[in-house]
Amino acid sequence: GNSVTQMEGPVTLSEEAFLTINCTYTATGYPSLFWYVQYPGEGLQLLLKATKADDKGSNKGFEATYRKETTSFHLEKGSVQVSDSAVYFCARGNFNKFYFGSGTKLNVKP
Amino acid sequence: DGGITQSPKYLFRKEGQNVTLSCEQNLNHDAMYWYRQDPGQGLRLIYYSQIVNDFQKGDIAEGYSVSREKKESFPLTVTSAQKNPTAFYLCASSSGGQRQETQYFGPGTRLLVL
Repeated sequence: GNSVTQMEGPVTLSEEAFLTINCTYTATGYPSLFWYVQYPGEGLQLLLKATKADDKGSNKGFEATYRKETTSFHLEKGSVQVSDSAVYFCARGNFNKFYFGSGTKLNVKP
Repeated sequence: DGGITQSPKYLFRKEGQNVTLSCEQNLNHDAMYWYRQDPGQGLRLIYYSQIVNDFQKGDIAEGYSVSREKKESFPLTVTSAQKNPTAFYLCASSSGGQRQETQYFGPGTRLLVL
């Protein structure tokens, strides 16, 4: 099948802590993989993406590496800030459609 | 500035009423999409369009209708047949094609039932 599974939240961290949000996918072929971020009451914003195996997407201190052998695309950040508090969605492309994970809410405390 | 606009930001629907949500993009994208998001949930695809005058049903099309008469516009009508329309509706667009291009999202419309 075609699906995306990401860790359930909420994830609560203190400022400057290390963040990992797990994401795994099932797919045939080589889908493009994406992380989006959603702030309260807003649409989704692209955070980063990777289009082939072993690619690393990065933006604003966030990183994710496309791991075909483990079908994973885990999101990481070395030191989170209060302003990173949001909901994060993992997604995979499938020709003309996207499949989204259920979202992981991140709360960062000062 | 290029982008996607959705209007209105909030929309109220009475029982038995059809309402239309607007989505406009000036990114010159071929493909456009409508998603529904329920509280604490992910996104579910309602309809998508790869090209003008053509569109396909997504995973939850029942009770919704769309049109794609212009490249930049993809309005969504929530009909009276949709019994649970309260949700956050997101429109997106991409350059389309077979390359799984990035989807860009509008700010969303929140639909509430009176």
